[in-house]
Amino acid sequence: DIQMTQSPSSLSASVGDRVTIACRASQSISTHLNWYQQRPGRAPNLLISAASSVQSGVPSRFTGSGSGTEFTLTISSLQPEDFGSYYCQQSYYVPFTFGPGTKVDI
Amino acid sequence: EVQLVESGGGLVQPGRSLRLSCTASGFTFHDYAMHWVRQSPGKGLEWVSSITYNSGAIGYVDSVKGRFTISRDNAKNSLYLEMNSLRPEDTALYYCAKDGVPLRIAGRGYYFDSWGRGTLVTVSP
Repeated sequence: DIQMTQSPSSLSASVGDRVTIACRASQSISTHLNWYQQRPGRAPNLLISAASSVQSGVPSRFTGSGSGTEFTLTISSLQPEDFGSYYCQQSYYVPFTFGPGTKVDI
Repeated sequence: EVQLVESGGGLVQPGRSLRLSCTASGFTFHDYAMHWVRQSPGKGLEWVSSITYNSGAIGYVDSVKGRFTISRDNAKNSLYLEMNSLRPEDTALYYCAKDGVPLRIAGRGYYFDSWGRGTLVTVSP
């Protein structure tokens, strides 16, 4: 199975800060990497698919980059509603594994 | 508006069975692959199973192979997960999710663009 790791596991930042979350795959997954946000008590919400394709309705402050084994989610200017957990997920090989998550506190 | 509503969860003893359902609306159900993803209390997300739009391809995480069966009824806009021989480690909130690309044949590249609110499965004596 492909192992997904994320760093940091948690972070605390201020409104307006630039935040970067890293995701690493144990083997190359091309650009088959997705990012989800999950607020407490809510279902996950897709932010980015295929490493860098921002979903409709997702604020432009969210961007994704990377390929192969190294990926990054960046929030250019953190907003109060961005608190929650962020998960990367690979969709290259079955099982479609998720990273352990990064908890963002504001 | 896409809506996915899961049902069928509950408290069940180890070794018993449960059938989850997901009723879809707001999109052309028979055009999209569908997925089950679970989340143990206070833990991260785990992909469980996927089924293509025409049921032509199905996949499972190893921990549920041989015990869980995914299926769909396109006439009823419904997705199912038959869970047998349940174990305490199957305790989780089970989400139904829709794939983001219509008529996808291969499994590579899936992403889950709409999710239900989940149904809680608790496996305990």
